[in-house]
Amino acid sequence: GAVVSQHPSWVICKSGTSVKIECRSLDFQATTMFWYRQFPKQSLMLMATSNEGSKATYEQGVEKDKFLINHASLTLSTLTVTSAHPEDSSFYICSAASRPGLPKGGSYNEQFFGPGTRLTVL
Amino acid sequence: AQRVTQPEKLLSVFKGAPVELKCNYSYSGSPELFWYVQYSRQRLQLLLRHISRESIKGFTADLNKGETSFHLKKPFAQEEDSAMYYCALRGIQGAQKLVFGQGTRLTINP
Repeated sequence: GAVVSQHPSWVICKSGTSVKIECRSLDFQATTMFWYRQFPKQSLMLMATSNEGSKATYEQGVEKDKFLINHASLTLSTLTVTSAHPEDSSFYICSAASRPGLPKGGSYNEQFFGPGTRLTVL
Repeated sequence: AQRVTQPEKLLSVFKGAPVELKCNYSYSGSPELFWYVQYSRQRLQLLLRHISRESIKGFTADLNKGETSFHLKKPFAQEEDSAMYYCALRGIQGAQKLVFGQGTRLTINP
């Protein structure tokens, strides 16, 4: 299947600094990428949906100025956590999907997930 | 509102026993339902989707619109099935985004 990578796999930073996380689709073009956040022993919560070349759509309650998302190319999306604080410590996961082909039945293309990035803010 | 509920956080069964992971959903239209699996130290991956109506690794799941359920079943559990399982929903009319349940950690005892 398609491969999605994330970099870095883990990062530790001081409070007040900004951290950038990259999400890459390695062998396909991802027109849409998704960013999730996962707290320990909890489910994945969608933060935002990012379409190549346009502004990201943020879920309710997610601060767009806090979590900057850029999807400048069909293989790369970045999430920047600005002025990070300890409460931003979490596991951030991206997924990527190619353009939906809408075959009979209205099925959309599968999302492929990255391995996640563990962010710890001291 | 879209919602997915997995009532069991933990489920433990013996090898060879049947296993059923429950999933109920709330959605006003006709959703797509999925089961994702996450093995230890691995990324989340798609196990099966209701549209495919196929059996993957011996697992099946049937969409019951009357009961708004999409339970995952396997007649004979194997030790390698131990993992975290997430049920997810995607609205046909909306964007591609997925709504995940809380997850069930399945442990198969030898």
